[in-house]
Amino acid sequence: GAGVSQSPSNKVTEKGKDVELRCDPISGHTALYWYRQRLGQGLEFLIYFQGNSAPDKSGLPSDRFSAERTGESVSTLTIQRTQQEDSAVYLCASTRGGEEGRYEQYFGPGTRLTVT
Amino acid sequence: KQEVTQIPAALSVPEGENLVLNCSFTDSAIYNLQWFRQDPGKGLTSLLLIQSSQREQTSGRLNASLDKSSGRSTLYIAASQPGDSATYLCAVRGTYNTDKLIFGTGTRLQVFP
Repeated sequence: GAGVSQSPSNKVTEKGKDVELRCDPISGHTALYWYRQRLGQGLEFLIYFQGNSAPDKSGLPSDRFSAERTGESVSTLTIQRTQQEDSAVYLCASTRGGEEGRYEQYFGPGTRLTVT
Repeated sequence: KQEVTQIPAALSVPEGENLVLNCSFTDSAIYNLQWFRQDPGKGLTSLLLIQSSQREQTSGRLNASLDKSSGRSTLYIAASQPGDSATYLCAVRGTYNTDKLIFGTGTRLQVFP
């Protein structure tokens, strides 16, 4: 496809369960980002992947959160033992990367996670 | 630590008005600034990207300016339409934190007929 895609679009889970969220970046984009947007709040950076470099995990809120990306393809964000405060929209973005951040980020439609 | 503020938080105007949305940031050492639009329940759509060396960018009825030294950007919307109703977000990309974007909390715009 032409844009960033994410799945599922909506996820309702019970407190304590693990969830996996998926992001397919734009083909050829080397950099991939995960953000979180809680209701009525701004976007918070979670994690960043650039090619084969070690990811920047500085935004992950706790060790219950982890993400993987194989090469320059799909990424999965995993939240273990979900809590109600994890309820948010999780947004993925990709960019061509390189050249000191010259390129704009393109966002997917997000996954709305509700923890009951 | 970079902080991004957007004023006003909400704006409601009649169709046809020209609008100015404001974005300010505390650390002027940025690579670029990007304006986004977010519709309810949707992801973000990139509107304009201004590199740190640029003063403004234009796309149709939208014009974004950047004054890096004073830590400000404005998004000008000409002849507003009901279809412009959305939340507008600005985000900066810093030189220290490299590639992640730091977002403002947005301006929620409603344009009524």
